[in-house]
Amino acid sequence: QQQVKQSPQSLIVQKGGISIINCAYENTAFDYFPWYQQFPGKGPALLIAIRPDVSEKKEGRFTISFNKSAKQFSLHIMDSQPGDSATYFCAASIFYAGGTSYGKLTFGQGTILTVHP
Amino acid sequence: DGGITQSPKYLFRKEGQNVTLSCEQNLNHDAMYWYRQDPGQGLRLIYYSQIVNDFQKGDIAEGYSVSREKKESFPLTVTSAQKNPTAFYLCASQVTGELFFGEGSRLTVL
Repeated sequence: QQQVKQSPQSLIVQKGGISIINCAYENTAFDYFPWYQQFPGKGPALLIAIRPDVSEKKEGRFTISFNKSAKQFSLHIMDSQPGDSATYFCAASIFYAGGTSYGKLTFGQGTILTVHP
Repeated sequence: DGGITQSPKYLFRKEGQNVTLSCEQNLNHDAMYWYRQDPGQGLRLIYYSQIVNDFQKGDIAEGYSVSREKKESFPLTVTSAQKNPTAFYLCASQVTGELFFGEGSRLTVL
């Protein structure tokens, strides 16, 4: 019930191409879906996030698409650049756990993206 | 600058030894987390704390211990009971859902 499954494990894209990473979740109570970007030797950093009241969110070249009925969400990176080469993690949580608490995140397995120049 | 500071960045340990990883934050966040990262397995939650003097086990707490005596500090002890401790350990704090991560500590057991 708590799992988040992410695919593919690795992805190679040419510069200027579109990178697509997919995630599926099981727990229908999840209502917060962020994507994190991690460069080698560093901690992950929030890239973009979506709540289920919208089906798509775009920030620059990065777009999250969300399909509530299928319990799936995906990250699209348009015009991929070599600087986008990193590991990407999707995650899910119950956003508000009550009081002043926010829900703990469950992460996918990660996708290693390589963008060739 | 505000952020999460983890130390040491690299640590080597002999089997049978306990080791403590430090995590300090100056973001004034109530919630703090410890994750373990292994290749191909994503980030797995070890322990988390929503408030000082309180903490909860995550999915893989066996062989680990934590304390939360101060808001800004959340140290993790990897005990000799942890069967496979070699990994990259990440500490994070949380506000309005978003996690802010430190740069990690890489532990290698020799």
